[in-house]
Amino acid sequence: AQTVTQSQPEMSVQEAETVTLSCTYDTSESDYYLFWYKQPPSRQMILVIRQEAYKQQNATENRFSVNFQKAAKSFSLKISDSQLGDAAMYFCAYRSDFHNAGNMLTFGGGTRLMVKP
Amino acid sequence: KAGVTQTPRYLIKTRGQQVTLSCSPISGHRSVSWYQQTPGQGLQFLFEYFSETQRNKGNFPGRFSGRQFSNSRSEMNVSTLELGDSALYLCASSARDRASPLHFGNGTRLTVT
Repeated sequence: AQTVTQSQPEMSVQEAETVTLSCTYDTSESDYYLFWYKQPPSRQMILVIRQEAYKQQNATENRFSVNFQKAAKSFSLKISDSQLGDAAMYFCAYRSDFHNAGNMLTFGGGTRLMVKP
Repeated sequence: KAGVTQTPRYLIKTRGQQVTLSCSPISGHRSVSWYQQTPGQGLQFLFEYFSETQRNKGNFPGRFSGRQFSNSRSEMNVSTLELGDSALYLCASSARDRASPLHFGNGTRLTVT
């Protein structure tokens, strides 16, 4: 079974600064997808960024980028120019590309990000 | 396009009762997944339905069940509620394409007293 670990329960960043959230995972599979989701107080999980394991290029979405290290099984999220609206819980998630896996996600424990004005 | 809609948003039940939660996926999405979120256990996969068939099931007791209708709307049912069932229940839908991400609803907050 796959496991996802987020070692930072809480992080803090100054507005306009850069912060990196860590995520490691354990799998014996070679094909999979990795995601970062954001959960603000409204409770809705919002997709921030995704990465296909077969792609060597790191995914980027505006101020959000990832550092995907497949051999190290590491998938960190970098938020540049942090904004007050970035304050939320961030979850790293794994999805197998195995045919029978469907859309089952395995989530990490989450990192609470606080943004200081 | 409307997002994933979950009803109700809040629910208070008593131990031993049963409850049904509803989820309407994004139009055109045929996969619906359910997750339980608690402070202690985090986010855990309950089950997934695709084209009215359960495709995967997480490690939950048989008291947790679900179904999907022909219009892709899904319901989950919890029978004989226990205090530990208090949680945020999240529903997510996805398109057929395996690379497509999950889109989540706002969740149903269930409190069991």
